[in-house]
Amino acid sequence: AQSVTQLDSQVPVFEEAPVELRCNYSSSVSVYLFWYVQYPNQGLQLLLKYLSGSTLVKGINGFEAEFNKSQTSFHLRKPSVHISDTAEYFCAVSLYSGGYQKVTFGIGTKLQVIP
Amino acid sequence: GAVVSQHPSRVICKSGTSVKIECRSLDFQATTMFWYRQFPKQSLMLMATSNEGSKATYEQGVEKDKFLINHASLTLSTLTVTSAHPEDSSFYICSAEGQDYTGELFFGEGSRLTVL
Repeated sequence: AQSVTQLDSQVPVFEEAPVELRCNYSSSVSVYLFWYVQYPNQGLQLLLKYLSGSTLVKGINGFEAEFNKSQTSFHLRKPSVHISDTAEYFCAVSLYSGGYQKVTFGIGTKLQVIP
Repeated sequence: GAVVSQHPSRVICKSGTSVKIECRSLDFQATTMFWYRQFPKQSLMLMATSNEGSKATYEQGVEKDKFLINHASLTLSTLTVTSAHPEDSSFYICSAEGQDYTGELFFGEGSRLTVL
């Protein structure tokens, strides 16, 4: 079974500063990796995903993430955050099981951008 | 990208009544949909997997008689909370699996249920 660990439940950061949200996963087989963002009282939307190929993945809103197989990590980064980036961020992994892709989410990291 | 619409976004009901939440895939056919429950400041808890034309698969600890799921068509899944109680108050989110079958999910806007 796979699992996802988001090490930081909350990350406060000043506007225009860089940020890194950490995600580690465990799985005995290859997985696909995702980052989703959730704004208050809304559903989740995809920020970026890693399926294969280049380990550096670029997503929407200036975010990027790097897949590191040896460290089983998929950390999310942004060089300069904006107030509008304040939201909850979820890391997720999926693997094929029982006829469909089984998705496991991390507990989420709340990014608080301080003006 | 694929769009999933969830309705209603907010619902308030009295204890003992039933509430139905709809989840529609607007521009694609969704063979598989998922229902999640999200508690305040917590992650998403998968409640059940809904497959078109067959019975839903419930996660351990989820009462299937209380949370009725119907996936009658390739674009519609419904969650009915039967005989709702205050402890059922929560944020419910549906999602549909993308057609590339990588596990990418497309989420509805969520439904905030408040049971008085």
